[in-house]
Amino acid sequence: AQSVTQLGSHVSVSEGALVLLRCNYSSSVPPYLFWYVQYPNQGLQLLLKYTTGATLVKGINGFEAEFKKSETSFHLTKPSAHMSDAAEYFCAVHGNQFYFGTGTSLTVIP
Amino acid sequence: EAGVAQSPRYKIIEKRQSVAFWCNPISGHATLYWYQQILGQGPKLLIQFQNNGVVDDSQLPKDRFSAERLKGVDSTLKIQPAKLEDSAVYLCASLPGGNNEQFFGPGTRLTVL
Repeated sequence: AQSVTQLGSHVSVSEGALVLLRCNYSSSVPPYLFWYVQYPNQGLQLLLKYTTGATLVKGINGFEAEFKKSETSFHLTKPSAHMSDAAEYFCAVHGNQFYFGTGTSLTVIP
Repeated sequence: EAGVAQSPRYKIIEKRQSVAFWCNPISGHATLYWYQQILGQGPKLLIQFQNNGVVDDSQLPKDRFSAERLKGVDSTLKIQPAKLEDSAVYLCASLPGGNNEQFFGPGTRLTVL
């Protein structure tokens, strides 16, 4: 069985501050892990993914995530938030099926 | 490369009416997914196709929802009859063979009154 838990449905950060969005997963098979971003009235866009290999994954728009098997986590970070980062972020796991978390809405305060 | 196309983008119907959504995946993508995304929630898989065959429809409410992908290319998702709780965004995604990165369409926002 697989599932994804995103801690914090809403996160607010100041422009220029660190962004940290949390994701924990459960999977009975080695997982593939994803972060997607969704802007209003748009579909989901892939930010980054972990399949195998290096556990620190770099994505688009300056985001990165680290796969920590011992903690079953895949938290998303960005060193300095930009106003354009305001969006909904979804963590997803793919074992034998795709499962999405409930999402975290990121607000960036000018 | 053209992305995943969906139509219509918005649809408003009354309960008990029927509605259909269309999806055209990226050319050559064998796998196609339909998701339901209720406001404030993550996408929930409804059905997965591999070419024109159904791989997983375990979460599709088959008493009112149906989907087909007859020629293994575009797909239609139908709801008949619609209920208030069907109000959601219906997302289509496709995935090329040998890959695990889904490409999403813009979605169809359904409002059932």
